[in-house]
Amino acid sequence: DAGVIQSPRHEVTEMGQEVTLRCKPISGHDYLFWYRQTMMRGLELLIYFNNNVPIDDSGMPEDRFSAKMPNASFSTLKIQPSEPRDSAVYFCASSLALGQYSYEQYFGPGTRLTVT
Amino acid sequence: SQQGEEDPQALSIQEGENATMNCSYKTSINNLQWYRQNSGRGLVHLILIRSNEREKHSGRLRVTLDTSKKSSSLLITASRAADTASYFCAFDTGRRALTFGSGTRLQVQP
Repeated sequence: DAGVIQSPRHEVTEMGQEVTLRCKPISGHDYLFWYRQTMMRGLELLIYFNNNVPIDDSGMPEDRFSAKMPNASFSTLKIQPSEPRDSAVYFCASSLALGQYSYEQYFGPGTRLTVT
Repeated sequence: SQQGEEDPQALSIQEGENATMNCSYKTSINNLQWYRQNSGRGLVHLILIRSNEREKHSGRLRVTLDTSKKSSSLLITASRAADTASYFCAFDTGRRALTFGSGTRLQVQP
């Protein structure tokens, strides 16, 4: 398996532009998570899906952020309009939950977003 | 904001020495996990310990969990230069998503 795939790996954009980050989870995994990592705030959960349905989006910072999972093999995180404070590394992770316990999450390589 | 704290924030040791990292959390948990992050990479799962377990081993890794103190420790024995990375604890409070600690940056000098 290729693991979790994220694209692009690096994105540099100007303030006000729309940014779309993409993720392909590991085949067969039923949970998908979006995280943001910054030096100041560490690793933050933004939103997660179970079987393509958003379960908890309480970590999404503002209405400028939206996420979709149209099918089991693809998810997007969109920022519109982008702001310099959105600069961070965005990670996608997937997991196969068995029983009542969460199992390990598999992380993608991340997308480094820079908003100027 | 994070609900997990780790200490030390940074640790520098010589190859062959043991490294111990500690994690504290505030809520009840189902399990606690440890992840490693090499510079510029995603996180990699190391080990999971359930709330009814007190100690777990995996190769050179030893994890302990004290639910009464809401704390966990990760011990890496006989460290190697390749162990240089950031280490994060993460805990599951029952909602399937993980809450991550602040991380410990480990530097192993060859």
